[in-house]
Amino acid sequence: KAGVTQTPRYLIKTRGQQVTLSCSPISGHRSVSWYQQTPGQGLQFLFEYFSETQRNKGNFPGRFSGRQFSNSRSEMNVSTLELGDSALYLCASSLADGAPRDTQYFGPGTRLTVL
Amino acid sequence: AQKITQTQPGMFVQEKEAVTLDCTYDTSDPSYGLFWYKQPSSGEMIFLIYQGSYDQQNATEGRYSLNFQKARKSANLVISASQLGDSAMYFCAMREGYNTDKLIFGTGTRLQVFP
Repeated sequence: KAGVTQTPRYLIKTRGQQVTLSCSPISGHRSVSWYQQTPGQGLQFLFEYFSETQRNKGNFPGRFSGRQFSNSRSEMNVSTLELGDSALYLCASSLADGAPRDTQYFGPGTRLTVL
Repeated sequence: AQKITQTQPGMFVQEKEAVTLDCTYDTSDPSYGLFWYKQPSSGEMIFLIYQGSYDQQNATEGRYSLNFQKARKSANLVISASQLGDSAMYFCAMREGYNTDKLIFGTGTRLQVFP
């Protein structure tokens, strides 16, 4: 079974631009979550989508948004990029079956550099 | 407030030896799950092991075992028979409840295995 895929793997943008990152979950997984990883702040939860609805949101400004499609694929968008948005963005998917052992599996990440 | 603490920024271990990576957590929710992930330099987060708050026995997955001490709120990862390929960052994470995928991560421990 194919793992979580993320595109693109690397991205370079300039301040003020916007960016869209894509995530395809493992087949059969219904939940997709996004995390930002930076050397200073570590791994931080951005948001979580289940059945095309945002189920949970982290403490990030409104410039960060996301959505999930009917096939569970997800995109996240960052508008008006700032230098501090440079990070590794990780996507994770899970079955979301409510079982205690439900586990998130991560993709390889998209490394965003803002110049 | 929910929190994960990893107090070891870096650890060294000789090949074939065992090593323990520390993790303490704080939560007021009686239902939670604890996860360990490995992150090689490539960036992808690899799931290693899960421990549920109601699990009576410590979790084991191959060379990985979890020393779960609920009263002390600790969930230490034990890697037996270390291999050079175990060199990576290791993150402890917690999920509160079963209807969310939101993970709170610790700051990680960098493990280096030497011959």
